[in-house]
Amino acid sequence: NAGVTQTPKFQVLKTGQSMTLQCAQDMNHNSMYWYRQDPGMGLRLIYYSASEGTTDKGEVPNGYNVSRLNKREFSLRLESAAPSQTSVYFCASSEGQQNSGNTIYFGEGSWLTVV
Amino acid sequence: RKEVEQDPGPFNVPEGATVAFNCTYSNSASQSFFWYRQDCRKEPKLLMSVYSSGNEDGRFTAQLNRASQYISLLIRDSKLSDSATYLCAVKGGGSYIPTFGRGTSLIVHP
Repeated sequence: NAGVTQTPKFQVLKTGQSMTLQCAQDMNHNSMYWYRQDPGMGLRLIYYSASEGTTDKGEVPNGYNVSRLNKREFSLRLESAAPSQTSVYFCASSEGQQNSGNTIYFGEGSWLTVV
Repeated sequence: RKEVEQDPGPFNVPEGATVAFNCTYSNSASQSFFWYRQDCRKEPKLLMSVYSSGNEDGRFTAQLNRASQYISLLIRDSKLSDSATYLCAVKGGGSYIPTFGRGTSLIVHP
């Protein structure tokens, strides 16, 4: 009953530090996503992976890298954190383009503060 | 014009009231439509998909108006527990990835 699991839930970083947000899904979904959500800005897509082995930039990819490690796992890396990357990060997954509806399921979120 | 737009609210209504939100979209080729609910400091969760003919789930009714390019969510007999942010999502126009609106905040008070 896990769905989409992401870690850590909370993290404080100093400017310039690096970190990786981990995400795994157990729904056998093809597509996975990383979003950030900021007050007044809504959900913005950072990167997505349509299927295992592929990754693509979303709306706000600068400062981030991703790895689709296998079908289950999709990680987001901040190489050199900046205060502008303070946000709530949501990992998500869906069946993908093969499914006409393509409902997206979200993890519980990771609260990241860069000081 | 933003791809998907919502009135941020907040909509402040008493228990038992009927409230409706709209969500407009700019891409006429959009194919799939959804309403998500997001509680404070929680992840968005699918509330309901929106079908062309409209659909109802208990106190919630979703409608699609393709001519005017908007979807709506009607909540009848509002409960305190309905207090949340409601996000619309629209898919289509060459992408299978839905675009989310910024959400409408609903506060139901006693």
